[in-house]
Amino acid sequence: AQKVTQAQTEISVVEKEDVTLDCVYETRDTTYYLFWYKQPPSGELVFLIRRNSFDEQNEISGRYSWNFQKSTSSFNFTITASQVVDSAVYFCALSEGRNNDMRFGAGTRLTVKP
Amino acid sequence: DGGITQSPKYLFRKEGQNVTLSCEQNLNHDAMYWYRQDPGQGLRLIYYSQIVNDFQKGDIAEGYSVSREKKESFPLTVTSAQKNPTAFYLCASSIEGDAYEQYFGPGTRLTVT
Repeated sequence: AQKVTQAQTEISVVEKEDVTLDCVYETRDTTYYLFWYKQPPSGELVFLIRRNSFDEQNEISGRYSWNFQKSTSSFNFTITASQVVDSAVYFCALSEGRNNDMRFGAGTRLTVKP
Repeated sequence: DGGITQSPKYLFRKEGQNVTLSCEQNLNHDAMYWYRQDPGQGLRLIYYSQIVNDFQKGDIAEGYSVSREKKESFPLTVTSAQKNPTAFYLCASSIEGDAYEQYFGPGTRLTVT
């Protein structure tokens, strides 16, 4: 079965620092999908990005960037010039595209201090 | 505004009582999901539904029940058989299946005493 590991339980940075959240996954399939979600203190998970296994191009969206490396089975998320509003729990997730197979990592709690 | 609504935000019940959590979506999504989140942990799938009148058990379905009579609605009942029901419950929907991103509601925090 597929598995997602987010080894960093908590990270604390000072505003304007760059921070990278690690995500390592395990799957036997060649076709799979990776996701990142943000959970602010309000509780609702917010979708950030979806990446399929055939697209290894890194993506940048404003201060957010994602580094997908199949060779190391990693899909890391970097926030540049962090802000207090970035404080949240961030989840990485993996799906092989079948029913009932989305698996979430345990999450990384990011605290950005002013 | 399109989205998912869950009500109520906070729910308190006495042990031994069944309780139903509401989830409604107006995104016209076929698939809907219920997750449970415990403090410091990731999400665990309780039930999911790919189509009206059909639903499947997830990893932790024991003590829970669902129905899917309408595309827009997927209520979750936490029964008295659920041994540890106090948790944060999240409902989600997606266009079709797990290959696509899921959109989440604001969640319901259930406390059973």
